[in-house]
Amino acid sequence: NAGVTQTPKFRILKIGQSMTLQCTQDMNHNYMYWYRQDPGMGLKLIYYSVGAGITDKGEVPNGYNVSRSTTEDFPLRLELAAPSQTSVYFCASSRGQDQPQHFGDGTRLSIL
Amino acid sequence: AQKVTQAQTEISVVEKEDVTLDCVYETRDTTYYLFWYKQPPSGELVFLIRRNSFDEQNEISGRYSWNFQKSTSSFNFTITASQVVDSAVYFCALSENTGNQFYFGTGTSLTVIP
Repeated sequence: NAGVTQTPKFRILKIGQSMTLQCTQDMNHNYMYWYRQDPGMGLKLIYYSVGAGITDKGEVPNGYNVSRSTTEDFPLRLELAAPSQTSVYFCASSRGQDQPQHFGDGTRLSIL
Repeated sequence: AQKVTQAQTEISVVEKEDVTLDCVYETRDTTYYLFWYKQPPSGELVFLIRRNSFDEQNEISGRYSWNFQKSTSSFNFTITASQVVDSAVYFCALSENTGNQFYFGTGTSLTVIP
């Protein structure tokens, strides 16, 4: 079972570049989330979605955008990469807000 | 203010010792959900347990046990007879009934020394 799949696993960007982190899940979960994890820190919620066509901001949305055109996919877009966005990004999905989240393996992003 | 506080940043124990990881949460909701996740050195996040606010029964699963006390807003996690494979960062998390956000603590890094 694939579960939650994130691509790429690693990426190096230059300041000012843009990119999209891909996330897809095959569990038919309505809820999907994007987090960032900085070294030695917990996870901070960037954006979340409760279903196709519905997205909302989390704790740290600045500098990011998302879309949810299908149940399966929830891409995260960085428009103007900044060094402060160097982090490990995790995508997750769940059946509901009260249910455990299933996480992808993460994308390690460095911005130089 | 932090919604979820894990005051223990790092803990080291010798194999076979018991260890308790503390988690204190803050919420005004009467309905909420608490979770523990494990992040081993390989980096993936593994779900361990879920508790809703109406279920204060303690739970035991093998060497793992959880103590949920609403009176002190705590949801502590005990590993009995620790093993090297338990070495990981453990996160406590809170989901409130109002809103759809998830709040993670900053994690406790557990090292089990053989």
